[in-house]
Amino acid sequence: NAGVMQNPRHLVRRRGQEARLRCSPMKGHSHVYWYRQLPEEGLKFMVYLQKENIIDESGMPKERFSAEFPKEGPSILRIQQVVRGDSAAYFCASSPGAPGETQYFGPGTRLLVL
Amino acid sequence: GQQVMQIPQYQHVQEGEDFTTYCNSSTTLSNIQWYKQRPGGHPVFLIQLVKSGEVKKQKRLTFQFGEAKKNSSLHITATQTTDVGTYFCAVTAYSSASKIIFGSGTRLSIRP
Repeated sequence: NAGVMQNPRHLVRRRGQEARLRCSPMKGHSHVYWYRQLPEEGLKFMVYLQKENIIDESGMPKERFSAEFPKEGPSILRIQQVVRGDSAAYFCASSPGAPGETQYFGPGTRLLVL
Repeated sequence: GQQVMQIPQYQHVQEGEDFTTYCNSSTTLSNIQWYKQRPGGHPVFLIQLVKSGEVKKQKRLTFQFGEAKKNSSLHITATQTTDVGTYFCAVTAYSSASKIIFGSGTRLSIRP
């Protein structure tokens, strides 16, 4: 049973470009969470999605960031017009049910904005 | 809003010494989870506590949930170099069941 998959593992973008991060949850998991982690810091919740629905996006910046989890295919976190401050590790996690259940994390995407 | 405080932020111990990290919430919790993140790695689930006063053990690790379900601790006995990493608590409150909030983590380093 494959774990949570994220790609790319590393992404380099110049300021103003778009970054698109993908997350495939574990088989049978319909709940996906995105977190951002700055170097030497904790995990900051961004958004919680179920298939085709955004349940909680209270941690997501209002501008430039968007997330989706379509009926088919991976969940995508999209950052438009990236700035240097967007450089961070972005982790995706999935769970079979509600947020109180165990979350299984992917290996993360390390985004570097030049 | 709900706040989660985890202390200490850093802990540097001699190999063989014990280590404890604490997680405190401003609100009553539905459950609490603990995760470990090795340097350069991703968080890995360790355990979940649900019941008031619950104590669970995993080899040298002891997890405890407070009677009031507002705090928790993780204790490691006789640390080894493989214990190096950052330990996070993650809480779900009754008042906001759609969100799990991570503590800021305790980074454990060990002198061999």
